[in-house]
Formats: sequence, structure tokens, C-alpha cells
Amino acid sequence: EVQLVESGGGLVQPGGSLRLSCAASGFTFRYSDMHWVRQPAGEGLEWVSGVDTTGETYYADSVQGRFTISRENDKNSLYLQMNSLRAEDTAVYYCVRVYRSYVYYYMDVWGIGTTVIVSS
Amino acid sequence: DIQMTQSPSSLSASVGDRVTITCRASQSIEGSLNWYQQKPGKAPKFLIFAASSLQNGVPSRFSGSGSETSFTLSISSLQPEDFATYYCQQSYTFPWTFGQGTKVAIE
Repeated sequence: EVQLVESGGGLVQPGGSLRLSCAASGFTFRYSDMHWVRQPAGEGLEWVSGVDTTGETYYADSVQGRFTISRENDKNSLYLQMNSLRAEDTAVYYCVRVYRSYVYYYMDVWGIGTTVIVSS
Repeated sequence: DIQMTQSPSSLSASVGDRVTITCRASQSIEGSLNWYQQKPGKAPKFLIFAASSLQNGVPSRFSGSGSETSFTLSISSLQPEDFATYYCQQSYTFPWTFGQGTKVAIE
């Protein structure tokens, strides 16, 4: 069964740091692009960051320079290092697998999410 | 950044109704448009890619169409399990962006 399980969420003070992890199973992780998507409570979805199979990374403007995405293929794991956290980073963070069909990319597998709360 | 705008933001419908949701991009995204369904407290579920290609296992009552800047998601005969929020998303260029969502509620 293809599965993504996030961990590492929690309560952190503004300006603090947190590292999210995502454990992948059921597919060949090293051949998949992987992304993070977040959702504040009661709001819509926001794409956060992605890393492709070559290690190239992409970020939303809102997190550029504060968040760092990385992957460890030998451990089938994806990470999101979040620094200088702000109240507006409070959200459920989803780990997602990105599948490519020809020139089309889509997020076909989602984790259950981990909650990050930034508050004093 | 490419802005994605969905309409309506919410709608009420009955079981058996045909429902159509529109998604517009602020610039051409060719066919790089995906649709997701989300139920309360759950992760989103992927439905359609490349504007009109159904993911395996998605019921055929769902369909997508469009290109460039204008896209639609249709549900031909609404079922009880279809009441949810639907999001469009462009994967044409980074940063990827989502529409604000359309909540489909029971009338």
C-alpha cells in the first residue's frame, strides 16, 4: 500500500524552528518528486515547497528563505525545516507525492497531515 | 504567480443534480490543471489531471474539461458521497497554485 506519514508538528513560539518529516512506503521513493502543501484551519490549500528526483527545490514566495525542503532517499524520507516561524505558518502540513504523466504533474498521494501551531 | 479563481465559492444541490464548477487561470496554463476533492477532517483526494483525465477509480460521473485559462469540473448526477470541497490546481509553472475551493453542500 502506498503511504505517506508525516510527523514533527507541534506548538512553537514565533521566531522558532520546527522540522517536519514524512516517511514514505509502498513505492520507489527515489523516483518520485515530493512536495509539501499546507492548509490553515478552515481555509484553502497552499502549495509550500517541492523537491524533484535530482534534488532541485522549489518554494512558495511566502516561505522562501525560511523553509528548506530535503530528502533522504536511502531512508525513504522527506523533510521540511521551518525557521523564523510566524503565526501565519499555522496550518496542517501535508506531504504529497507528485506523479508525472507525459508533461503533466499532479499530486496523487497525500499523507494525513501534521499540525503546526505558531503561537506565544 | 498564476492566480486560480473558482466559481462559485459554494453551492447547494440535491442528490441526482448535475453540478458544474468553473476554474479560471490568470494566464494560460495550457492543459496543466488538476482537481481535488476534500471532505472535512480528511486529506485531499486527487480526482483529475491534465484538465480531463480521470484518476483510476474515480467514478465516471466526474468529468473535466477546458484548456488555456478556462476549466470546468462537472458531476453528472450528484451522490451523497460527493458533498465536499473541490479545488483546482495548476502545475504549469512554479509556484503551483490552488483555487480557493468550492464547497458543494446538500440543499
